[in-house]
Amino acid sequence: AQTVTQSQPEMSVQEAETVTLSCTYDTSESDYYLFWYKQPPSRQMILVIRQEAYKQQNATENRFSVNFQKAAKSFSLKISDSQLGDAAMYFCAYLAGNMLTFGGGTRLMVKP
Amino acid sequence: GAVVSQHPSRVICKSGTSVKIECRSLDFQATTMFWYRQFPKQSLMLMATSNEGSKATYEQGVEKDKFLINHASLTLSTLTVTSAHPEDSSFYICSAIRTGWANSPLHFGNGTRLTVT
Repeated sequence: AQTVTQSQPEMSVQEAETVTLSCTYDTSESDYYLFWYKQPPSRQMILVIRQEAYKQQNATENRFSVNFQKAAKSFSLKISDSQLGDAAMYFCAYLAGNMLTFGGGTRLMVKP
Repeated sequence: GAVVSQHPSRVICKSGTSVKIECRSLDFQATTMFWYRQFPKQSLMLMATSNEGSKATYEQGVEKDKFLINHASLTLSTLTVTSAHPEDSSFYICSAIRTGWANSPLHFGNGTRLTVT
């Protein structure tokens, strides 16, 4: 069974600084997708970034980038120039076929 | 962009009654939809995978007779909580995969907060 682990229940970052959220996963599949989702207090799930396992290049979306280490099964999210609106729960997710697994989440706090 | 509409956003019901939650893909067809339950300050727990035209696949520990899932069309899946009890109070959220877009980003509904009194 696939597992996704987020080892940091809470993280804090100063506004305008950079923070990295960790995610590791366990799988025997070779073809899969990884996602980071943001869940603000409204509880809406917002896709932040997506990475295809077959791509070696790390995905980037504006201030958000990932460090995808396939051999290490690691998928960390870097948020640059943190903004107050980045404060939320962040979930790492793994998708292979129709099997989706979420990590336990990391609560990110942004200090003004 | 692809939109998933979930209704109602909030519902309060009395113990013993049934509640139906709808999940609609508004501008795309969704062969597969997922239903999750989320307790406060916890992650999303997959309850079941709903496939259009076939029976849903339930995760271990989820009572299929209590949480009835129907996916009668490519744009609509429903979750019915039957004979609801206070312990069923939770946040329920659905998501959908666009048909023909294997491993496409999941599109989420805005969730339903169920309170059983």
